[in-house]
Amino acid sequence: EEKLVESGGGLVQPGGSQTISCAASGFIFRNSEMNWFRQAPGKGLEWVSYISSSGNVMYYADSVRGRFTTSRDNANNLLYLQMTSLRGEDTGIYFCARITSRSNWGQGTPVTVSS
Amino acid sequence: DVVLTQSPLSLSVTPGQPASISCRSSQSLVHSDGNTYLNWFQQRPGQSPRRLIYKVSNRDSGVPDRFNGSGSGTDFTLKIGRVETDDVGVYYCMQDAHWPPLTFGGGTKVDIK
Repeated sequence: EEKLVESGGGLVQPGGSQTISCAASGFIFRNSEMNWFRQAPGKGLEWVSYISSSGNVMYYADSVRGRFTTSRDNANNLLYLQMTSLRGEDTGIYFCARITSRSNWGQGTPVTVSS
Repeated sequence: DVVLTQSPLSLSVTPGQPASISCRSSQSLVHSDGNTYLNWFQQRPGQSPRRLIYKVSNRDSGVPDRFNGSGSGTDFTLKIGRVETDDVGVYYCMQDAHWPPLTFGGGTKVDIK
């Protein structure tokens, strides 16, 4: 079964940092381009970042560029999103997903930025 | 950035009746490779999104054939042939023709009468 499981979300203070992870199984992770998406409470879906299969190419939404970094560990089938200088508007559920030839989404991990 | 506009914002449907959702793009979604990259996602309450349709009209594995995507250029439609109670949720179109960024429509909420 192809599966993505996010972890590492939680409550963080404004200006703080958090790193969330995504563990992949059931498919050849090292061959898969990956994305992070997020969804603010009661709102729609927003793309956050992309990373190529090798990890050499990354793209970011304007709203997070310079603050968020996506990376991957292909040896251990892990995807990461390192978030710094967090703001209230970064609050939401964060999903890792692949959306190329096949589409898989994790269940999401909640990140709450609040004092 | 490509702006996708969905309509209606919400839809209340009697089980067994059809439903239709529109997605209009601010620019053509035809890629230089000749393909048109428009996807449809379903998000049931409390669940993560699930892709139903890719490249306008191709159903993902396991998606019932009552879900059909159509359209071209800037105008696209998702039709549900006969709505079932399981279809309750929010439907989003998403383009990956001209990215970054990947962009979504605002969503259409479908509920059952």
